[in-house]
Amino acid sequence: ILNVEQSPQSLHVQEGDSTNFTCSFPSSNFYALHWYRWETAKSPEALFVMTLNGDEKKKGRISATLNTKEGYSYLYIKGSQPEDSATYLCAFAGAREKLTFGTGTRLTIIP
Amino acid sequence: NAGVTQTPKFRVLKTGQSMTLLCAQDMNHEYMYWYRQDPGMGLRLIHYSVGEGTTAKGEVPDGYNVSRLKKQNFLLGLESAAPSQTSVYFCASSYSMLRGGSISGANVLTFGAGSRLTVL
Repeated sequence: ILNVEQSPQSLHVQEGDSTNFTCSFPSSNFYALHWYRWETAKSPEALFVMTLNGDEKKKGRISATLNTKEGYSYLYIKGSQPEDSATYLCAFAGAREKLTFGTGTRLTIIP
Repeated sequence: NAGVTQTPKFRVLKTGQSMTLLCAQDMNHEYMYWYRQDPGMGLRLIHYSVGEGTTAKGEVPDGYNVSRLKKQNFLLGLESAAPSQTSVYFCASSYSMLRGGSISGANVLTFGAGSRLTVL
């Protein structure tokens, strides 16, 4: 069983502040790392897919980095807004394997 | 464009009853998946399919069966429901990016809205 860990489990951030959280995954047999955003009462939606060591992706105020050699990815949110409140999931894909999801980081933005 | 549609959205069953969850996608995706989501456990893969007529076991397949008779539909069946199968079930689909005939992990998943199943 692959171990994909996300930290912290939950986070409260003041509106306007920046924040980041971590996804740790096996450093061997890496193929891709996904980030999804999951709002309450909705379905998860894809944010990023990263496949190369050193990849950096950006979408508006949200960005992600990838280190496949040490097995971690960071998700950054700059200038948090109330609409950023959601659970952020990462998912690891090893070669020839399916996506294994972490348990998520639940982010709450305090107005 | 409906995307991925799951029916029913809610269902309550008694132990031992059977039921089928239907997933339909209109994006011509090759791959389809069934996940279950339980508190503190993340999304766990039950079964998946890489094309019409094919299915494969995921991480937690016991107690479930699946069929993919048409490309756009992926059915998840519970033959004899147990309380341990109380969960929220998510269907997802994606395009394929086959490498050497194996499922690829770079394809992005599109999820359905979820089906909440309670087994009493």
